[in-house]
Amino acid sequence: QIVLTQSPAIMSASPGEKVTISCSASSSVSYMYWYQQKPGSSPKPWIYRTSNLTSGVPARFSGSGSGTSYSLTISSMEAEDAATYYCQQYHSYPFTFGSGTKLEIK
Amino acid sequence: DVQLQESGPGLVKPSQSLSLTCTVTGYSITSDYAWNWIRQFPGNKLEWMGYISYSGSTSYNPSLKSRISITRDTSKNQFFLQLNSVTTEDTATYYCARFDWGIFDYWGQGTTLTVSS
Repeated sequence: QIVLTQSPAIMSASPGEKVTISCSASSSVSYMYWYQQKPGSSPKPWIYRTSNLTSGVPARFSGSGSGTSYSLTISSMEAEDAATYYCQQYHSYPFTFGSGTKLEIK
Repeated sequence: DVQLQESGPGLVKPSQSLSLTCTVTGYSITSDYAWNWIRQFPGNKLEWMGYISYSGSTSYNPSLKSRISITRDTSKNQFFLQLNSVTTEDTATYYCARFDWGIFDYWGQGTTLTVSS
């Protein structure tokens, strides 16, 4: 199965700071998908097909990457962005998720 | 709007089978998409367990293949998870979710399952 490794596992950012979360795949994948999860809630779809924001996601978010290296970027951190972010692939079965990056606000 | 709602026993004894139900409203599970079970372990690791497609075909995570079964009742717009021979390592929050060509776009709120004697 394709293993997705996220880094960092935990990070904190100040309001207005740029944030980048990385997701490395053990084999090349065509696209990467991202979810946001806050405590007590189910994951929410956030970015699909590497770089497309789902409806309602603020434009300060972006996604990029190809092959085995992908990233989620927040151009200017806001308090509401504090959450755990997961990457996910469906290039091959079984679908797999990254271990998550917990983003905290300073 | 599409909504998914899990239901289950909350507590299961080791070696028993667990059965969970996902009730879908706002969309027919026979129209399109794949209907999935995903679990989240304590510590937050997410694991895709399997799906049943709109046509009734199934696909399972090989790590669970000998223990898992996903079925459906189209008259009630529900699909089900059965996991046999559970152990404490199956303690998790179980989600049902719709899969739309790459992304799990609708999720239930999750049901917590504890395996304990």
